[in-house]
Amino acid sequence: ILNVEQSPQSLHVQEGDSTNFTCSFPSSNFYALHWYRWETAKSPEALFVMTLNGDEKKKGRISATLNTKEGYSYLYIKGSQPEDSATYLCAFTSGTYKYIFGTGTRLKVLA
Amino acid sequence: EAGVAQSPRYKIIEKRQSVAFWCNPISGHATLYWYQQILGQGPKLLIQFQNNGVVDDSQLPKDRFSAERLKGVDSTLKIQPAKLEDSAVYLCASSLGAGANTGELFFGEGSRLTVL
Repeated sequence: ILNVEQSPQSLHVQEGDSTNFTCSFPSSNFYALHWYRWETAKSPEALFVMTLNGDEKKKGRISATLNTKEGYSYLYIKGSQPEDSATYLCAFTSGTYKYIFGTGTRLKVLA
Repeated sequence: EAGVAQSPRYKIIEKRQSVAFWCNPISGHATLYWYQQILGQGPKLLIQFQNNGVVDDSQLPKDRFSAERLKGVDSTLKIQPAKLEDSAVYLCASSLGAGANTGELFFGEGSRLTVL
């Protein structure tokens, strides 16, 4: 059974703080790693998809790195803002056509 | 471009009743997914369609859940009879390709089910 784990489960940070989360996934048969942001009462939206070991992606204040050999990805948020409050999901895909999601990290940014 | 549409957004039913959810994917997307997200857990794939054929329904509780995708476009997910543990958000997603597993999933806003 393929397992994707995310940590921490939840965290509260102050506005302006930088923070990061971890996604751990099986290192064998890797195909892609996705990050999604899911705000309350909205649709989950894609942030990044990464396929190569050492990939780094950036969108504004949010960036992500990928290590496929050891099976982890980090998501960083620099200078957190209240609008960053959301659940951040990672999803792993292998050689089959399945996306396996982690349990998510719930971020609350306090003004 | 219109996104993935889902309805209803919220539904409250009593156990043993039935419920149906509807999803309209993005135009041209061949692959459609139904996920169940229980509070505190990650989204779990219930069923995946490629056009109007089923690719994966291994985690669909077939004694009570059914899904169809007529004409390879809209899809409905039905639960009959509902149990308390079916309380969850039901997410529909679509993607462009035939099992393009590097591709982005486009999600609807979800249908939140509460079973009393």
